[in-house]
Amino acid sequence: DTAVSQTPKYLVTQMGNDKSIKCEQNLGHDTMYWYKQDSKKFLKIMFSYNNKELIINETVPNRFSPKSPDKAHLNLHINSLELGDSAVYFCASSLSGGANYGYTFGSGTRLTVV
Amino acid sequence: GQQLNQSPQSMFIQEGEDVSMNCTSSSIFNTWLWYKQEPGEGPVLLIALYKAGELTSNGRLTAQFGITRKDSFLNISASIPSDVGIYFCAGLRYNNNDMRFGAGTRLTVKP
Repeated sequence: DTAVSQTPKYLVTQMGNDKSIKCEQNLGHDTMYWYKQDSKKFLKIMFSYNNKELIINETVPNRFSPKSPDKAHLNLHINSLELGDSAVYFCASSLSGGANYGYTFGSGTRLTVV
Repeated sequence: GQQLNQSPQSMFIQEGEDVSMNCTSSSIFNTWLWYKQEPGEGPVLLIALYKAGELTSNGRLTAQFGITRKDSFLNISASIPSDVGIYFCAGLRYNNNDMRFGAGTRLTVKP
């Protein structure tokens, strides 16, 4: 059983398109995140949701809109894709306030904008 | 946001050698974590440290939470080829909702 699953694994699309990445976790965690990893492998937090409520919204263009229909899902919708959006996007989840503070990451979605 | 400075950027070592990498920050963290990322995968948690001065081992890996709460190191003893990957330090503040990563140390192990 995959703990944090993202789909699709790869996404190639043209500039100007709108696309979505889906994320689901089956760990019973109450907090979910989106991270962006650039070509230099730097991991930067984009959003954090706790119990479906937006907690963190880093300086991300408003073309990026996260949506959390329930605690187990956090989807990322991107409008009007640009070349600079090309990166690997990771979903993660954690349990807030628990003894184990580690985040569990999905295997990533490689987005290529052409 | 908080800046984590991780070094070295990359390491090329021979199988069997020991490895050491560290992370420093201008901010205090309540939790330090070390992750490993392999190609095509997400980061996987190796060790989590919760108290200043804590020294924790996980097999051949040993990590320490600095006394000042602004630094941490990770040691890998007797490296093997499957240790290859990118190692990230990460810091968490008390609210556990905002984990920040270092830039990573890319480890190559030659058989």
